[in-house]
Amino acid sequence: AQSVAQPEDQVNVAEGNPLTVKCTYSVSGNPYLFWYVQYPNRGLQFLLKYITGDNLVKGSYGFEAEFNKSQTSFHLKKPSALVSDSALYFCAVRVYGNNRLAFGKGNQVVVIP
Amino acid sequence: EAQVTQNPRYLITVTGKKLTVTCSQNMNHEYMSWYRQDPGLGLRQIYYSMNVEVTDKGDVPEGYKVSRKEKRNFPLILESPSPNQTSLYFCASVNLKGGLTGELFFGEGSRLTVL
Repeated sequence: AQSVAQPEDQVNVAEGNPLTVKCTYSVSGNPYLFWYVQYPNRGLQFLLKYITGDNLVKGSYGFEAEFNKSQTSFHLKKPSALVSDSALYFCAVRVYGNNRLAFGKGNQVVVIP
Repeated sequence: EAQVTQNPRYLITVTGKKLTVTCSQNMNHEYMSWYRQDPGLGLRQIYYSMNVEVTDKGDVPEGYKVSRKEKRNFPLILESPSPNQTSLYFCASVNLKGGLTGELFFGEGSRLTVL
């Protein structure tokens, strides 16, 4: 069965510092990987995805993520965090041929001014 | 504007009183899905639908029903709600062109409390 692990409940970072949100996955086939962000009292919004090709993918709001097949990871990164990046971030995985999308537990990111 | 609309956004009900949470999308998406979000558990899939009249169970389908009679609508039905169904519910949809590689569009969420 496919699954996603987001090992940290909360990530605190000072404004202007690099931000990293970790995600590892477990699948039995080729993964499709996604990052979503949830702001307070809102639905989830798509940030970026990895389907195939270049391991480094760029997405919305200056975020990027690197697919690492050997480490089964898909960490989300931003070079310089903003206070407005404070939100809940979800990693998700789908396997080719499987109609279900598995989400991680989410990471609360707090950017400190 | 492309959107997924859920109603109601907030609901307090009592154990055993049937309720329906509606979901409608205006993007002609084939795939629709319901999730519940609980602290520490993330999002868990309840049911999904690949197209009209095609539905399947997700990870936590117990106590829920769905139907897909029209492409745009995918209501979630709680026949006899219980307190453990108190949660934040999200409906989502995606275009199936490209074989489910597209991103999900989420509704704003429906916060349900069962007393």
